Amino acid sequence: ILNVEQSPQSLHVQEGDSTNFTCSFPSSNFYALHWYRWETAKSPKALFVMTLNGDEKKKGRISATLNTKEGYSYLYIKGSQPEDSATYLCATPGNGNKLVFGAGTILRVKS
Amino acid sequence: DGGITQSPKYLFRKEGQNVTLSCEQNLNHDAMYWYRQDPGQGLRLIYYSQIVNDFQKGDIAEGYSVSREKKESFPLTVTSAQKNPTAFYLCASGRGSFGYEQYFGPGTRLTVT
Repeated sequence: ILNVEQSPQSLHVQEGDSTNFTCSFPSSNFYALHWYRWETAKSPKALFVMTLNGDEKKKGRISATLNTKEGYSYLYIKGSQPEDSATYLCATPGNGNKLVFGAGTILRVKS
Repeated sequence: DGGITQSPKYLFRKEGQNVTLSCEQNLNHDAMYWYRQDPGQGLRLIYYSQIVNDFQKGDIAEGYSVSREKKESFPLTVTSAQKNPTAFYLCASGRGSFGYEQYFGPGTRLTVT
């Protein structure tokens, strides 16, 4: 069974701090890496879908990098704001045409 | 307004009863998915369907059943055979290729006592 790990499990930062967290996945048979943001009482929303080694994607203050050879992706948030508080999930396709999700990183930004 | 809807938001059932969770999408997506979330765990796939009238078991299909009679709808039945049915259930849809993101509904919290 494919194992997707995220670290840290949770993170508390002050408003204005920059932060980053990690998603690790098996490097063999890589197809794609997804990042989702899941705010409390809302649906998970896609941030990025990354497919190429070395890829870097950016959306406002949030960016992500991908290393498929070593099996990890980093998500960076620059100048965290309280509205960035959410659970961040990563996922990658496993066997049988399905996404396998990590347990998520819970981010809390204090104002 | 395009999107994916789930109903109800909260559901309470007695042990031994079957219950059906609704999922509807108007995004014209071929693929639909059901996930379960438990505290401290990632989303786990229950069932998925890539086309009408076809579906496959995910990692934790035991005690669940689905149907896909229409492209827009993918209801999930939690049967009395599911040993730990209390959980948060999320439905999603997508284009069926994992190069594209999935779109999630708001979820249904099921409590069985």
